[in-house]
Amino acid sequence: QVQLVQSGAEVKKPGASVKVSCKASGYTFTNNDINWVRQATGQGLEWMGWINPNSGNTGYAPKFQGRVTMTRNISIRTVYMELSGLRSDDTAVYYCARAYGGLDPWGQGTLVTVSS
Amino acid sequence: QSALTQPPSVSGSPGQSVTISCSGTSSDIGSYNRVSWYQQPPGTAPKLVIYDVTYRPSGVPDRFSGSKSGNTASLTISGLQAEDEADYYCSSYTITSTWVFGGGTELTVL
Repeated sequence: QVQLVQSGAEVKKPGASVKVSCKASGYTFTNNDINWVRQATGQGLEWMGWINPNSGNTGYAPKFQGRVTMTRNISIRTVYMELSGLRSDDTAVYYCARAYGGLDPWGQGTLVTVSS
Repeated sequence: QSALTQPPSVSGSPGQSVTISCSGTSSDIGSYNRVSWYQQPPGTAPKLVIYDVTYRPSGVPDRFSGSKSGNTASLTISGLQAEDEADYYCSSYTITSTWVFGGGTELTVL
């Protein structure tokens, strides 16, 4: 079955960077964009951007432009989302999701905690 | 890009129907038939229930239906069941080639 499996929880200090991975299985990896969405505790969903695994092309939400970088490694069917200059309000669960009609399926989520 | 506007909460009794609205602008919902809806029970990842305004992914019950009029999209759940209790989010593609979500609606099954 189609599945996205993300890396484990991270704890980072303010100003640091975090890199979250998302490994795809069960479909042709290069056929569909991967999007990243985050959700702070008790809050709504916030779209961050997308990457095309075939071309490596990316598109980022204006809010994250300059702070986020999305990359991929085709050989291991994995995409990465790196967020730099972390602040306390970046504490959230980060999700990857395949673009297929809508976003389907979603990874299990990765909790990133930013704390001094 | 401002978030789409959803009511914070809706409720209904088992067997009833509920409709969740999602209000946008001519820069998002009004420009594209690229509206999706997601169901998120507490502590779980979101799940796609409607895409491209009206289409249901395989496995989603036909009790779930979507529609759009102008700058507003709607999700209707008929024959409410206890398992439908969750947060629901709408999403739309925008003219700046980005995606935007609504603030979410908490559905309570009484």
